[in-house]
Amino acid sequence: QSVLTQPPSASGTPGQRVTISCSGGSSNVAKNFVYWFQQFPGMAPKLLIYKNNQRPSGVPDRFSGSKSGTSASLAISGLRPEDEADYFCSAWDDSLSAGGDWLFGGGTKVTVL
Amino acid sequence: QVQLVQSGAEVKKPGASVRLSCKASGYTFTTYALHWVRQAPGQRLEWMGWIHPGNGVTKYSQKFQGRVTITRDKSASTAYMELSSLKSEDTAVYFCVSGDDLGYWGQGTLVTISS
Repeated sequence: QSVLTQPPSASGTPGQRVTISCSGGSSNVAKNFVYWFQQFPGMAPKLLIYKNNQRPSGVPDRFSGSKSGTSASLAISGLRPEDEADYFCSAWDDSLSAGGDWLFGGGTKVTVL
Repeated sequence: QVQLVQSGAEVKKPGASVRLSCKASGYTFTTYALHWVRQAPGQRLEWMGWIHPGNGVTKYSQKFQGRVTITRDKSASTAYMELSSLKSEDTAVYFCVSGDDLGYWGQGTLVTISS
């Protein structure tokens, strides 16, 4: 499917581990790299994870990414209040019908309880 | 440091066109493809297309094909995105994005379509 599906919300208490899923298809997640972005209200998204599981410099190692088949996940361990934000997954989709397209998930709002 | 600075907010009427700019600094402009992505209120991010500043080659999302044109001025390290035949549904924040792995984002430009 040429859609990336995320749960709309996730939550945890400080110190907990939170995992966000990103479900795609054979033309996107399964064959191309997955990226994760963090976005605070009124701000531009920030790259959090690239090429499935790589962290840009400056991103804490509390954030980790993984991929298996048509699904990917972002894990936040040792949850902190400042992690409360929206998180988006993204992947290139090269289905013939779409002619190539960057897809974004619908976003998951993480709440720190 | 890498910066992408976008032009200011726009208000347009339905049927009009809008042209946004994105000035890059802190890196060689021709190194990375430059993308345009938009975010309508309460909606997911949508990729509109990209341009390779080095050779001007473009690729557009099928959704916007025929309505969007992305250009660049290498001498000014600036990319432009023009969207035509505007509709109320085009009200959104538009971002330019560059760098390997979409690592650099502009601050966003709010475009409001209202009669």
